[in-house]
Amino acid sequence: EADIYQTPRYLVIGTGKKITLECSQTMGHDKMYWYQQDPGMELHLIHYSYGVNSTEKGDLSSESTVSRIRTEHFPLTLESARPSHTSQYLCASSDLRQGAQYEQFFGPGTRLTVL
Amino acid sequence: RKEVEQDPGPFNVPEGATVAFNCTYSNSASQSFFWYRQDCRKEPKLLMSVYSSGNEDGRFTAQLNRASQYISLLIRDSKLSDSATYLCVGHATGRRALTFGSGTRLQVQP
Repeated sequence: EADIYQTPRYLVIGTGKKITLECSQTMGHDKMYWYQQDPGMELHLIHYSYGVNSTEKGDLSSESTVSRIRTEHFPLTLESARPSHTSQYLCASSDLRQGAQYEQFFGPGTRLTVL
Repeated sequence: RKEVEQDPGPFNVPEGATVAFNCTYSNSASQSFFWYRQDCRKEPKLLMSVYSSGNEDGRFTAQLNRASQYISLLIRDSKLSDSATYLCVGHATGRRALTFGSGTRLQVQP
């Protein structure tokens, strides 16, 4: 089992609220990622980080922001939630030192519903 | 064209059947490949890495054909518990993240 955690698992919130989705991993991985996935659809990378103080936007444009102040922690923030943000958000991590074995380990996800 | 393409299925097979999925990739710089399994409303979990010579893990066999740019996954003696979506994943040299296919859904029926 991967040691990567996400909270909350489920969140129902009203439009305009600020939310932060938490992601933590205890594997000491340098790389961390945020994906967005709608039911039955593919994963879309929205943010990634190579290490502390390193963050980049992914392939899918997102209004969310991320920070990486500590290696183990990669929170995602939405300043003003909208119904279009309703989706599942998956956090993942991988180890730079594994070379070609570029496996990513996923957290259980946060299912966000914005009313 | 998507960088990693899969037949979405669903593949409906009886228990005990052998089923094979193919996945094609367009980026010839892709070096590493993986198959992930994702159950409904759950996170993806690594099923197996795909090595250049192919590899086998119990009932699962993965193969890579670089000349034709496709990866395959073979499942023998299907179990009900194999029902899931199987994601083909590639990593190209110089890319910062993995590229996920949209998945192939497998439904094993009793």
